[in-house]
This record gives sequence, C-alpha cells and structure tokens, in this order.
Amino acid sequence: DVKVTQSSRYLVKRTGEKVFLECVQDMDHENMFWYRQDPGLGLRLIYFSYDVKMKEKGDIPEGYSVSREKKERFSLILESASTNQTSMYLCASSISRGGLQETQYFGPGTRLLVL
Amino acid sequence: GQNIDQPTEMTATEGAIVQINCTYQTSGFNGLFWYQQHAGEAPTFLSYNVLDGLEEKGRFSSFLSRSKGYSYLLLKELQMKDSASYLCAVRDQNNAGNMLTFGGGTRLMVKP
Repeated sequence: DVKVTQSSRYLVKRTGEKVFLECVQDMDHENMFWYRQDPGLGLRLIYFSYDVKMKEKGDIPEGYSVSREKKERFSLILESASTNQTSMYLCASSISRGGLQETQYFGPGTRLLVL
Repeated sequence: GQNIDQPTEMTATEGAIVQINCTYQTSGFNGLFWYQQHAGEAPTFLSYNVLDGLEEKGRFSSFLSRSKGYSYLLLKELQMKDSASYLCAVRDQNNAGNMLTFGGGTRLMVKP
C-alpha cells in the first residue's frame, strides 16, 4: 500500500511566523503535490514537483514556497504566515511513468490555524 | 483552463440509489477521477474514466460522456458509511505531470 505521511495533523501558529509542513511518501513516486482545501472551494493546487529539486507553481502559489531535496520528501513553506492561510493542507504523490489511470495518493492532511 | 461543477450537497436514504453529477469544461481532456473523502480524512481513489461509457466497481459506478463534458458517480444500496464528500477531478491533455483540477466536492448525507 502507498503511504503518504504528513508531519502534523493539527498546527497552531501566529501571524508572521515561518511554517514548515513536511510530507513523505514511501513508494518512490516522481510526482508530489501540495493542495489546500477550503469549504466551498474544493482542493486548490499550490505547488507540485515532478522530480528532485524541480518545482512548478500551481493555481495559488502566492505566499508559499516548496522544497524537494530528496525524492521521498516534499516540504511546503509559509514564509510569513497570515490568517488567510488558515486551511487544511493536503499532500499527494503519484507515479509518473505508469498508465493513464495512475491516481494521486493523499496524506491525512494538516489542519493549520494562524492566529 | 478548466471549470468543474458538481452539486454542493445531496441527501439520500439508506438502501437507495444516488447519482452525483459532474460537468467540466477543459481545453484538453485526459481522464476523469472520482474520489471519496470522509470528514477529517484524506481523499481516496474511487474510479477513473477516460473513454465514454460506464465503469462498474461493486456498488459504485462511474459514467463519462466526453462530447457532453459530463460524468456521474452512481452509488447503489446506500449505506450509512457512504456519508462523505465525493470529489470529481479532471486531468488535462496537456498535462505532463499528472496534475488534476478538482471540483468543489459534493457532500452526501445518507439518512436511515
């Protein structure tokens, strides 16, 4: 079974703090993704990476950065947290060289509250 | 870009059948996924369609019409544990990185 883990289930931070969200997958997947999920807005892609040290902006990258130093680990960084970044953050991974129906596998999510 | 629409909420009765619709507009189509997400948990894969027609998997089936930009997820013999959000997601043809665009999700409540 594919396993995607995230460093925290719940996190409370203050405005202006630097926040690190870590994601690790154990299936040697090339692709990794960071989404945020908000009521009524669904999942929105923040950043994704298709290889080590590679990153691409998603639909809403402003206020975020990412790091992929190792294939299994993809980190999301909030340089200076703001209250509008309070959200559920979901990490996902997928294989790149598989068939068309290769799905994304999601981690359990990190619920971040910025005060 | 892509635009994906699905109803926000639906209610159905245990043992019944429910159909959750999803319409999409995309510049290029390369597959449609359905995911199930229980409250507070990660989305999990349910089904995939890339050709027109019906894909059946036990109590769950998914249908696709590419010409109409339309899909539905059919849930039969509803059980209380089927209460969850159901997410429709589309992959773009020009997408080399297996990126998906998600709809807002449909929250299904199953009542006794």
